[in-house]
Amino acid sequence: QVQIQQWGAGLLRPSETLSLTCGVSGASFSEYYWSWIRQSPGRGLEWIGKISHFGITAYNPSLKRRVLTSIDTSKNQCSLRLRSVTAADAGLYYCARTTVDKNFYMDVWGKATTVTVSS
Amino acid sequence: QSVLTQPPSVYGAPGQRVTISCTGGWSNIGSGNNVHWYQLSGTTAKLLLSHNSIRPSGVPDRFSGSKSGTAATLAISGLQAEDEADYYCQSHDNSLGASVFGGGTKVTVL
Repeated sequence: QVQIQQWGAGLLRPSETLSLTCGVSGASFSEYYWSWIRQSPGRGLEWIGKISHFGITAYNPSLKRRVLTSIDTSKNQCSLRLRSVTAADAGLYYCARTTVDKNFYMDVWGKATTVTVSS
Repeated sequence: QSVLTQPPSVYGAPGQRVTISCTGGWSNIGSGNNVHWYQLSGTTAKLLLSHNSIRPSGVPDRFSGSKSGTAATLAISGLQAEDEADYYCQSHDNSLGASVFGGGTKVTVL
């Protein structure tokens, strides 16, 4: 059974960098992409980006300038970095297993990490 | 505003059938892209339907989906208290080159 755990700093000041890591067990890490998605009261759900075990990435154009994802296949982990956060970046952040087709979907989700941005 | 439009809220009594619409355009749903549905509650998210109507293992058959033209619909029959949650649709938008979600629909069981 696939298990996804997430961790990272949940309280940030404006202009800092958000950094989250996702650890996966019980799944074939290399057969999927791994996405980051966030949920905020003002904008609902928003797909941030995804990464494959080869390090191939795709990002939401609206966030592309500030986002970086990375992967460590030896640890079955992937990470998200979002630069220059503002209050608009606060919300729940999810890591999710993602299918590889163009019209992809997320079939297994981790428990959300709460991110607060406050000075 | 979300690329895919959903009603903000839907209400139903236990046992009733409710439907949630997801309306897009010709650059996403209307171009043949599949619609997927998710259930979110608190800090937990779950895939309900993939490819418009396919239920993953473990999802009750009370949940069903359809797609026509530029819109998709999620139906919940035999509504139960545990179905009270937020529901989101998702598809790919060819113009944006990104996956997009609907604004979400809160289902309240009366």
